[in-house]
Amino acid sequence: AIRITQSPSSLSASTGDRVTITCRASQSISSYLAWYQQKPGKAPKLLIYAASTLQSGVPSRFSGSGSGTDFTLTINYLQSEDFATYYCQQYDSYPLSFGGGTKVEIK
Amino acid sequence: QVQLVQSGAEVTKPGSSVKVSCKASGGTFSNSAISWVRQAPGQGLEWVGGIIPIFGTPNYAQKFQGRVTITADKSTSTAYMELSSLRSEDTAVYYCARAQHSVLTGYSDGMDVWGQGTTVTVSS
Repeated sequence: AIRITQSPSSLSASTGDRVTITCRASQSISSYLAWYQQKPGKAPKLLIYAASTLQSGVPSRFSGSGSGTDFTLTINYLQSEDFATYYCQQYDSYPLSFGGGTKVEIK
Repeated sequence: QVQLVQSGAEVTKPGSSVKVSCKASGGTFSNSAISWVRQAPGQGLEWVGGIIPIFGTPNYAQKFQGRVTITADKSTSTAYMELSSLRSEDTAVYYCARAQHSVLTGYSDGMDVWGQGTTVTVSS
């Protein structure tokens, strides 16, 4: 099974900051990686798929990069509505797997 | 635009089983892969298993093998997840989620549509 290691587990940032979250897969997953945003009490929301493709309706301040085993989610000009928990997920092979999550909190 | 509508909250006893449904509204399961993902209180997301309805063969996380059964009824565009031998650690919100599946490549995309979640509480 493919393990996904996500870091950091939490971070504090201010509105307007640039934030970077990373995920590392235990083996190559090509570009079969998605990023999700989850707010308390809500279902996750797809932000990015295929490592770098922005889901329709997602603001362009979100971007993804990487391939193989190392991936990054970047949020430019952090907005108040971006404070949430973010997860990466690989869909290269079954069983599917998620990273442990990164909680982005207000500094 | 397809929506996934899940069955209501369940309160069950240890050792029993629970079956949660997920119905596609405003669309069908064609070209879809349906996953079940759970989230225990205060914890992260955990993939339980999934199925591609047009093929019918499920895949399960090793952790749940032998205890989970995932099925799909194409005629009603409804997926089901049954979890047996429940214990307190199974208390969680269970989500179904859809990823678009390409028969051409054999790959699915990210999960773009999620159900509202079903809270399953296991307590004596």
